[in-house]
Amino acid sequence: GEDVEQSLFLSVREGDSSVINCTYTDSSSTYLYWYKQEPGAGLQLLTYIFSNMDMKQDQRLTVLLNKKDKHLSLRIADTQTGDSAIYFCAVVTSGTYKYIFGTGTRLKVLA
Amino acid sequence: EAGVAQSPRYKIIEKRQSVAFWCNPISGHATLYWYQQILGQGPKLLIQFQNNGVVDDSQLPKDRFSAERLKGVDSTLKIQPAKLEDSAVYLCASTGRNEQFFGPGTRLTVL
Repeated sequence: GEDVEQSLFLSVREGDSSVINCTYTDSSSTYLYWYKQEPGAGLQLLTYIFSNMDMKQDQRLTVLLNKKDKHLSLRIADTQTGDSAIYFCAVVTSGTYKYIFGTGTRLKVLA
Repeated sequence: EAGVAQSPRYKIIEKRQSVAFWCNPISGHATLYWYQQILGQGPKLLIQFQNNGVVDDSQLPKDRFSAERLKGVDSTLKIQPAKLEDSAVYLCASTGRNEQFFGPGTRLTVL
């Protein structure tokens, strides 16, 4: 079945850029998402990209998609302490509306 | 626009007891999901509804878990009897226009 992989931890200094990576196996994935989860809360949709796009920018967030390598990344510019959270990548295959989530990357921002 | 509502937020029960969770999705969202999130992991789909019909329940432990979606709006998830390994956060989500939104979750502790 579909598999989505993420590295477990990332630590950056406040003001630096963060890059969180995700790889997936299903080449028919049509929508790819990034979610943020803070302690004790549900998942918050940050942004998503359609599979026919290479890049999407939304304020401090930049999503890059490499379909050939099945690689998705989320760049957070000027990372702040409030960005400390767990970030999940998720993919959806066309027609199913079934979301497959990665294991999450815990981002720690050091002041 | 109101978000996905869930209740209760927290529940502590003893093993072999029963428990029920409630979810009210965003108005107009036809697709509703129940996920189980164990500490340190990504959300795992338990069941997916399209209106009041089940689309996918392949990972629902049907010997103890049941779910229904009344009139294609609210949904309840029940566990009977609960086991220690059911301790997790149960997340409800609904989808509209390619965007999936999550509720705050119910944290279940089974003693």
